[in-house]
Amino acid sequence: GAVVSQHPSWVICKSGTSVKIECRSLDFQATTMFWYRQFPKQSLMLMATSNEGSKATYEQGVEKDKFLINHASLTLSTLTVTSAHPEDSSFYICSAPGPGNYNEQFFGPGTRLTVL
Amino acid sequence: LAKTTQPISMDSYEGQEVNITCSHNNIATNDYITWYQQFPSQGPRFIIQGYKTKVTNEVASLFIPADRKSSTLSLPRVSLSDTAVYYCLVGSSGSARQLTFGSGTQLTVLP
Repeated sequence: GAVVSQHPSWVICKSGTSVKIECRSLDFQATTMFWYRQFPKQSLMLMATSNEGSKATYEQGVEKDKFLINHASLTLSTLTVTSAHPEDSSFYICSAPGPGNYNEQFFGPGTRLTVL
Repeated sequence: LAKTTQPISMDSYEGQEVNITCSHNNIATNDYITWYQQFPSQGPRFIIQGYKTKVTNEVASLFIPADRKSSTLSLPRVSLSDTAVYYCLVGSSGSARQLTFGSGTQLTVLP
């Protein structure tokens, strides 16, 4: 099946710094990717839709200037958490629609961000 | 996107069949029903998807009644490794393939 990878798998940073998370579709192309955030014991919350060649679409309440998304190619989307603060500590997960099943999505393994 | 309602948690024992029901009263004509499994600190994993009646694959079955307002995920003979959160999602390709996750069901399989 289709594989989506994320890098890094975990990151610890100081408050005020920026962190970049990469999401790659390894064996298929994805013109659209999705970014989710998940806090402990909670469900996944969609943050934004990443579109190759155009601006990302953000969900209500998600600051686009804080969570910068760049869909650089058909296999790579990046999420940059700018000026991170402890409340940004969370599990960030990306997904991409699969190449075959029009309604199936493949998720990355997630990135654990801890802001000190 | 149709809202879904699932039990918050369920317990079962090894070897038993587990059925998790999801309600989606506002499902639209074009919507599919998809179930995902998530282990702690991992991304969700696709289990099964269906539109109507019954779908079966190597890991689960999905039962969808004629009115499609609910669905039931059936896991045969669960093992300890099936302990996870199971999410029921409803959506169509027309919604740009966005997935809206509900609260999910925490399944705990006991020895």
